[in-house]
Amino acid sequence: AQSVTQLGSHVSVSEGALVLLRCNYSSSVPPYLFWYVQYPNQGLQLLLKYTSAATLVKGINGFEAEFKKSETSFHLTKPSAHMRDAAEYFCAVSESGAGSYQLTFGKGTKLSVIP
Amino acid sequence: SQTIHQWPATLVQPVGSPLSLECTVEGTSNPNLYWYRQAAGRGLQLLFYSVGIGQISSEVPQNLSASRPQDRQFILSSKKLLLSDSGFYLCAWSERDGTEAFFGQGTRLTVV
Repeated sequence: AQSVTQLGSHVSVSEGALVLLRCNYSSSVPPYLFWYVQYPNQGLQLLLKYTSAATLVKGINGFEAEFKKSETSFHLTKPSAHMRDAAEYFCAVSESGAGSYQLTFGKGTKLSVIP
Repeated sequence: SQTIHQWPATLVQPVGSPLSLECTVEGTSNPNLYWYRQAAGRGLQLLFYSVGIGQISSEVPQNLSASRPQDRQFILSSKKLLLSDSGFYLCAWSERDGTEAFFGQGTRLTVV
């Protein structure tokens, strides 16, 4: 079974500072990897995805992530944090089963942005 | 374009009462459908998924059940709610060969 570990349940950064949210995965086959963002009391919105093409993936709102197979990592970064980036972020890996793609999520990292 | 509707947005139910949460998808056919539960600090837990009408796979044994009476309708039910059923429930869909899931806005269920 595949799994995802997100290091740090809470991360605080100053506005304008670098955002780095860490994600490590385990998988017996080449994975598909995702980052989702969740604002309070809302559903999840896809930020970006890796599906075995370019290892550096650019997403919405200025976020990007790099797939590193040797490190089994897929860390999310943004050069300069905005107040509107404050939310919870989930890393996920997909596995195929019974004709469906099932996402396995990490426990999430809550990002706070300090003005 | 595809949209997903989930309702109600919030629900407060007494222990022992029944539950029915509904989710519908528009703009696509034969989607894969999913129910997730989100508890504070525990991430998202896959409860059920469905690859077709009447086809339900359960990931975690519990007090809940799911049904798919129509292609784009997915229902989460319980006959008798427990306090531990409280949480944020999310419906999602993906294409048959899709790689990502698209989520509804969620239902905040509080069992009192």
